[in-house]
Amino acid sequence: GENVEQHPSTLSVQEGDSAVIKCTYSDSASNYFPWYKQELGKRPQLIIDIRSNVGEKKDQRIAVTLNKTAKHFSLHITETQPEDSAVYFCAASRDNYGQNFVFGPGTRLSVLP
Amino acid sequence: GAVVSQHPSWVICKSGTSVKIECRSLDFQATTMFWYRQFPKQSLMLMATSNEGSKATYEQGVEKDKFLINHASLTLSTLTVTSAHPEDSSFYICSARGETPYYEQYFGPGTRLTVT
Repeated sequence: GENVEQHPSTLSVQEGDSAVIKCTYSDSASNYFPWYKQELGKRPQLIIDIRSNVGEKKDQRIAVTLNKTAKHFSLHITETQPEDSAVYFCAASRDNYGQNFVFGPGTRLSVLP
Repeated sequence: GAVVSQHPSWVICKSGTSVKIECRSLDFQATTMFWYRQFPKQSLMLMATSNEGSKATYEQGVEKDKFLINHASLTLSTLTVTSAHPEDSSFYICSARGETPYYEQYFGPGTRLTVT
């Protein structure tokens, strides 16, 4: 089955700096890769996703890159703000109906003012 | 759009009792719902996948007789923790996915279960 690893487990950056979180996956059939942000005690919220036919996707300060050959994808947050502080989870999934997400272990991002 | 609710948001029960958690898709039809368990400071662990009208598919290591899942309609799935024990205390989150060309899962707010 799919195995998703995520690094680093914790990340502290100064406000305004960039943050990068990396994930690797094992199942070459996976072709949908979402990123979720979870604040303490709240539900995970989708912040960006990427499909295997795309190498990069950007949405304002957030971008995701995908390298299918190497089976890794990364989340990039630029100009970080204190409200970006949360736990971020990557996930990998096949696109067939009913296939499940496998989540990475999460990265706790702290943006220091 | 794409709102998922869960009820209750938190519950405290005594060891040996059963607890039912509801997951509802409020503005779309959820053909597939997922149940996750999340321990403090840990990731979401998929417990089972349920498709409306079918038996749930459980992940390896999840006892189907202990965690009963019913997906009776396109907007409602329930998780019943039977004969709960303190080790079942956790944050349970459901998610729902409808028939769209996309694969996004919409998460419920979660239910914190404490078994005393």
